[in-house]
Amino acid sequence: EDQVTQSPEALRLQEGESSSLNCSYTVSGLRGLFWYRQDPGKGPEFLFTLYSAGEEKEKERLKATLTKKESFLHITAPKPEDSATYLCAVQGGGSNYKLTFGKGTLLTVNP
Amino acid sequence: DAGVTQSPTHLIKTRGQQVTLRCSPISGHKSVSWYQQVLGQGPQFIFQYYEKEERGRGNFPDRFSARQFPNYSSELNVNALLLGDSALYLCASAWTGGTGELFFGEGSRLTVL
Repeated sequence: EDQVTQSPEALRLQEGESSSLNCSYTVSGLRGLFWYRQDPGKGPEFLFTLYSAGEEKEKERLKATLTKKESFLHITAPKPEDSATYLCAVQGGGSNYKLTFGKGTLLTVNP
Repeated sequence: DAGVTQSPTHLIKTRGQQVTLRCSPISGHKSVSWYQQVLGQGPQFIFQYYEKEERGRGNFPDRFSARQFPNYSSELNVNALLLGDSALYLCASAWTGGTGELFFGEGSRLTVL
């Protein structure tokens, strides 16, 4: 069964203080690893898809990387509007019709 | 272009009642998935439909059922509601039934009293 573990559960940063979120996964035949952002009371918003180890994707202050066992979401010089819960999910080869999500990391960026 | 739309946005039911949640996918998307998100947890897979056929079902009891219509919209039905069914129910659409990004709606917040 596919599993996703995210750490830390919560992270508080000062504006401009860069950091990284971790997503460890076990999956049989990775078809894709996905990062989503979720604001309170809203649905998840798609950020990135990574397909193979060594792949990197960037969007504004966010950069996602992938190894064979984990993914990192790097946040460079965050702003208060980056505050949200960041969800990691995997799509395994044995279950190509569903995503398995982690519990998420709640990021708070203080001005 | 409109994103995934869900209705109702909020609803309150009592134990034992039945509820129907509705979802319209992004135009051109043929796959619809349903997820349940309990407070403080990540979304959990319930169903996926592609071209009106059920492609997968998560670890949920038979009280949960769904269907997809010819226009690719979908309904999720939950019978005999329990307190533990209180959650945010998310609908997501995609181009295909296989690998690819899911695009989520804002969700339907169900409270069971």
